[in-house]
Parts: sequence; structure tokens; C-alpha cells
Amino acid sequence: NAGVTQTPKFRVLKTGQSMTLLCAQDMNHEYMYWYRQDPGMGLRLIHYSVGEGTTAKGEVPDGYNVSRLKKQNFLLGLESAAPSQTSVYFCASRYGGYNEQFFGPGTRLTVL
Amino acid sequence: GENVEQHPSTLSVQEGDSAVIKCTYSDSASNYFPWYKQELGKGPQLIIDIRSNVGEKKDQRIAVTLNKTAKHFSLHITETQPEDSAVYFCAASSNSGYSTLTFGKGTMLLVSP
Repeated sequence: NAGVTQTPKFRVLKTGQSMTLLCAQDMNHEYMYWYRQDPGMGLRLIHYSVGEGTTAKGEVPDGYNVSRLKKQNFLLGLESAAPSQTSVYFCASRYGGYNEQFFGPGTRLTVL
Repeated sequence: GENVEQHPSTLSVQEGDSAVIKCTYSDSASNYFPWYKQELGKGPQLIIDIRSNVGEKKDQRIAVTLNKTAKHFSLHITETQPEDSAVYFCAASSNSGYSTLTFGKGTMLLVSP
């Protein structure tokens, strides 16, 4: 099993550009999450999904959109990137009924 | 919403010493408290967790204690080794709703040989 994978690993954008980050998991997990990690701020929840076709806002959702069209994939979109969105983005997933979240390796995004 | 405070932000110890990281939480409904370890360039990985019906849990050199009355929980690492050097995050969650985690801001642990 590959676990949780994220694509791409690194990306540099210019202000105003758009992009999509892909998270994939092969553990048949119901729940999936997108976090951002900034120095000294810990992990903050952007959006999450409790099943295929469902999404919900987390702590810092502004400027991001998500979609969960397939159970194994969770997409994070930036429609018009801003320098404040420079961060490391982590995806995580877990079974329903179990609390452990399994994290991917992260995507480092820089917005110039 | 839940608020998790974590201290210290950095901790330096000598190999073989013990290390303690402390967290407090605000929501009395929280009942699940995991600890994650993040090595440089990697995603966080669960190392131990505790639920509110238990006061202490051990796994080899790692232990977690929980005081629900005071709303704080701690991670204890004994006989530290250089490979314990990493950033550690505490988190809290309730089983109500969709059980999202609220993380502390992290502690950078450095173990010197």
C-alpha cells in the first residue's frame, strides 16, 4: 500500500495563478482532510470530507475550494493564488469510527 | 471552538535525559488526545494517543498523561535518543460532529549526543 500520496511535491506560482493539489489514499478511508502548516502556527484545517461527494469547511477555508468526486481522491484548489497562501500543505485520511489520521508527505507551495 | 496550547516551543536535552511536553485544551467535550511526531521534510506520524476514560498510557519509552479536570495532557519521553529529535504536535478532538483535530503549535525537540 502506498498510503497517502500528494501531487505535486513542490510548486511555485505567481500571484493570481490557479492550481490544484491532488491527494490520493489507497486505504479505503472515509474521512479526508487538507491542512496547511506555517512556521510557528502548527497545522490548521482548511477543508475536510466525511465521504465521497461531501465536503466541509475547516478553520481557514478562505481562498480554497475542494472536491471529493471519488472516495480515494481529495482535491484542493486555489483559484487565484496569493502570497499569503505560501505554505506546506498536508493531506490526511482516516477510517470512520477510528481517530488516527494518516498524513501524506506534503506539498510545498510558494506564491510569488 | 477548541483551542490547544502547547509548551515549550523548543526543548533541548542531552541523550539519555527525559523530555516533557505539555498541552492544555479549552473544550471540555474533547475526549481524544493524540501526539504526532514530524521529522524534517515528512508528514506527521501518530506516536501515541489517549482517550478521556484513561489517565495514563505507555508505549516503551513514551507515555502520555491526561488530567481532564485541569484540561491538560503531557507527553513524556524517557531515555531520549538523537533519533527522537523532531517536531512534536499535540491535538484534541471530540467525537461529536465529524471529529476534526485541533493541533497545538508544536515543540521542536533536539536531543544532543
